[in-house]
Amino acid sequence: DAMVIQNPRYQVTQFGKPVTLSCSQTLNHNVMYWYQQKSSQAPKLLFHYYDKDFNNEADTPDNFQSRRPNTSFCFLDIRSPGLGDAAMYLCATSRMDRGRNQPQHFGDGTRLSIL
Amino acid sequence: AQSVTQLGSHVSVSEGALVLLRCNYSSSVPPYLFWYVQYPNQGLQLLLKYTSAATLVKGINGFEAEFKKSETSFHLTKPSAHMSDAAEYFCAVSGGAQKLVFGQGTRLTINP
Repeated sequence: DAMVIQNPRYQVTQFGKPVTLSCSQTLNHNVMYWYQQKSSQAPKLLFHYYDKDFNNEADTPDNFQSRRPNTSFCFLDIRSPGLGDAAMYLCATSRMDRGRNQPQHFGDGTRLSIL
Repeated sequence: AQSVTQLGSHVSVSEGALVLLRCNYSSSVPPYLFWYVQYPNQGLQLLLKYTSAATLVKGINGFEAEFKKSETSFHLTKPSAHMSDAAEYFCAVSGGAQKLVFGQGTRLTINP
């Protein structure tokens, strides 16, 4: 089945130690998103790629970076995680069709804990 | 610009009762509207979408929603709640750009 896969499902890292979360998709969608979701809150968009074009949200900290080496893969890099970065990180994909965005498809997320 | 307001952060119904989750939106362009469901420790799953076709939209798991432009609403309903419906529900709007704007979510609890 076509899907969005996030690895790992659970990630534990140390305060200040760089961490990378990965996302892959078999849907061949041209848009990929990274969201941060804290407990009992809505997902918060960090950035997204439209094809190779990177679009950063204005309030996304510089500590968060992303890479999209090809259509299928997208990575979230947290350069120096702080305690406030502990959250669920969700990857999503969608397809732009005739200038309108089709529904986003989400992975199951990576829950990041900071020690 | 787009925005979404979900009325009620927590809704509790009895098993077999009607489920009604409220969503009002604001959009400067004809909106696309979505309802997503999130189970614990999982991602968001699309329940249904409105994309300017029929105003009554049927989704998965027996849910449906009606787009009412005059009321700027897109409320989610299900005639008979099941225990498995307990989850967090998010309404979202897209104004045609690549981004979704989410409401704050409504946690649905089902009482046996």
